[in-house]
Amino acid sequence: RKEVEQDPGPFNVPEGATVAFNCTYSNSASQSFFWYRQDCRKEPKLLMSVYSSGNEDGRFTAQLNRASQYISLLIRDSKLSDSATYLCVVNVNNDMRFGAGTRLTVKP
Amino acid sequence: EADIYQTPRYLVIGTGKKITLECSQTMGHDKMYWYQQDPGMELHLIHYSYGVNSTEKGDLSSESTVSRIRTEHFPLTLESARPSHTSQYLCASSEGLALSTDTQYFGPGTRLTVL
Repeated sequence: RKEVEQDPGPFNVPEGATVAFNCTYSNSASQSFFWYRQDCRKEPKLLMSVYSSGNEDGRFTAQLNRASQYISLLIRDSKLSDSATYLCVVNVNNDMRFGAGTRLTVKP
Repeated sequence: EADIYQTPRYLVIGTGKKITLECSQTMGHDKMYWYQQDPGMELHLIHYSYGVNSTEKGDLSSESTVSRIRTEHFPLTLESARPSHTSQYLCASSEGLALSTDTQYFGPGTRLTVL
């Protein structure tokens, strides 16, 4: 079993849709959590950290459920520019573990 | 924007050549990493360093080697390139202080093609 597992995708959604990505992690000792975004043929870039109480940044909301070892990312009112691969990242004992990513395509 | 640089951005080279992929960061980060990523596939950690003179192998076995003589510089070397080394190589760095803020910043990557 992989340490970080994500929805396989791809997700194809119309502009304006709300889309949710899920991620589960296997190591209960995981200490910090992040969502990264990677555009095609580009490097990953930090989208947002995920805090225990949940956090929001504009149209993006991240949630963490430690009991279920589950992280989510919600994108509201999706834009064409949101098309990318979203990577779930978990810090375990100072090692960053990347999920395989979920590809999102937002269509007009 | 992160101050982490990689050169070359693209490299096409013949089998058997020795190559060095450069990575530099000007943020004073202690921790640096090399990842390998094939198109549409996940990132694989191949090397990391927690500081000067510290290097470790990552999860994915790689024939490459790295060195960390200076904080800001973390080059990756392939002694004899083969077509199986064709991939994108991404360098990253992080502060390494508090876990909650230990985000990694990535360079633009080097796309390597070995003929």
